[in-house]
Amino acid sequence: SQQGEEDPQALSIQEGENATMNCSYKTSINNLQWYRQNSGRGLVHLILIRSNEREKHSGRLRVTLDTSKKSSSLLITASRAADTASYFCATAGTYKYIFGTGTRLKVLA
Amino acid sequence: EAQVTQNPRYLITVTGKKLTVTCSQNMNHEYMSWYRQDPGLGLRQIYYSMNVEVTDKGDVPEGYKVSRKEKRNFPLILESPSPNQTSLYFCASSDLEETQYFGPGTRLLVL
Repeated sequence: SQQGEEDPQALSIQEGENATMNCSYKTSINNLQWYRQNSGRGLVHLILIRSNEREKHSGRLRVTLDTSKKSSSLLITASRAADTASYFCATAGTYKYIFGTGTRLKVLA
Repeated sequence: EAQVTQNPRYLITVTGKKLTVTCSQNMNHEYMSWYRQDPGLGLRQIYYSMNVEVTDKGDVPEGYKVSRKEKRNFPLILESPSPNQTSLYFCASSDLEETQYFGPGTRLLVL
């Protein structure tokens, strides 16, 4: 298996704080994607960053990509209780998707 | 509404009894994929299909079969289920290597 790894595995913060999650991967990629999953439900796409991009924003989300270090980070600013979920990175390349093991985020009201 | 549907959502079966989990998408995506999700292991790709009649193995294909006879459908077949296939299964569709759209999941328990 060539799974990516996410760090930390779990994160607990207060509402209003920022949450940062990191993802490392092993293969060359065309793009990297971040997904959110609420309690065993289907995954929902958050943001996609291509291999030639270094940073991307979407609302309260900021994603960075460093292909030389094979790593990415997801920053959620001004977190809300509704952001409580598991977050996964996924790399896309050579027709396959490889998911990380996920970060469980808990935002305390 | 653009969506990926899976059926059944929950299934309890016994070892060795063949079963099929259906997956259908209405977004005209060429790429479809099956994943299993297990605690602590994230999502692992079982099989994927780049188009009709084109399928290939993912990371954990043992014990599974797939077929892609129509663009919209991509069923997952367990010909002789075993307890280690107890898991949460997701189907997804996308344009090739682009954003994936996931179904709601199928919880399978093999006794």
